[in-house]
Amino acid sequence: DAGVIQSPRHEVTEMGQEVTLRCKPISGHNSLFWYRQTMMRGLELLIYFNNNVPIDDSGMPEDRFSAKMPNASFSTLKIQPSEPRDSAVYFCASSLGQGARAFFGQGTRLTVV
Amino acid sequence: SQELEQSPQSLIVQEGKNLTINCTSSKTLYGLYWYKQKYGEGLIFLMMLQKGGEEKSHEKITAKLDEKKQQSSLHITASQPSHAGIYLCGAPPLFNAGNMLTFGGGTRLMVKP
Repeated sequence: DAGVIQSPRHEVTEMGQEVTLRCKPISGHNSLFWYRQTMMRGLELLIYFNNNVPIDDSGMPEDRFSAKMPNASFSTLKIQPSEPRDSAVYFCASSLGQGARAFFGQGTRLTVV
Repeated sequence: SQELEQSPQSLIVQEGKNLTINCTSSKTLYGLYWYKQKYGEGLIFLMMLQKGGEEKSHEKITAKLDEKKQQSSLHITASQPSHAGIYLCGAPPLFNAGNMLTFGGGTRLMVKP
């Protein structure tokens, strides 16, 4: 299995631009998580999907952030408009059931200038 | 909200030495996950502890969960350069909340050959 696949691995964008991060979970996994990692705040849960349905988005920082999961094999995290403080590494993780171990992708390093 | 504090924040040990990393929760623990992260990479699952008093081992790494103390420890025996990285503990905020994890700030481990 290829594991959780995220794209792009690195993204540099200008403030105000729209950014879309992509995630392909492990086939058969029905739970998907988006996390953000920064030096200041560490690793934070942004949103959790179960069977493609958003269950908990209380970690999404602002309305500028939105996440979708149109099908079991794809999810996106969009930031519009982006700001320098959004610079972070964004991780996607998936698991087979919510209580099972989660597999993390390699992350997308986002830099907003 | 739940907070996880890890100690020490960083650690440098000589190859072959033993070491312990601690993770203390501000609230009741409903399970505890240990992950390892290398710079620029995703998180690698190490162990999941679900019951008070539980102890698990994998190769030279042992983790224990003390529910009464709201604490977990990760012990590495005879450390090797391959053990270097950032160790993160994560815990669900509620019973059966699975992978909706709150993470500690991490412990950065360096192993000197």
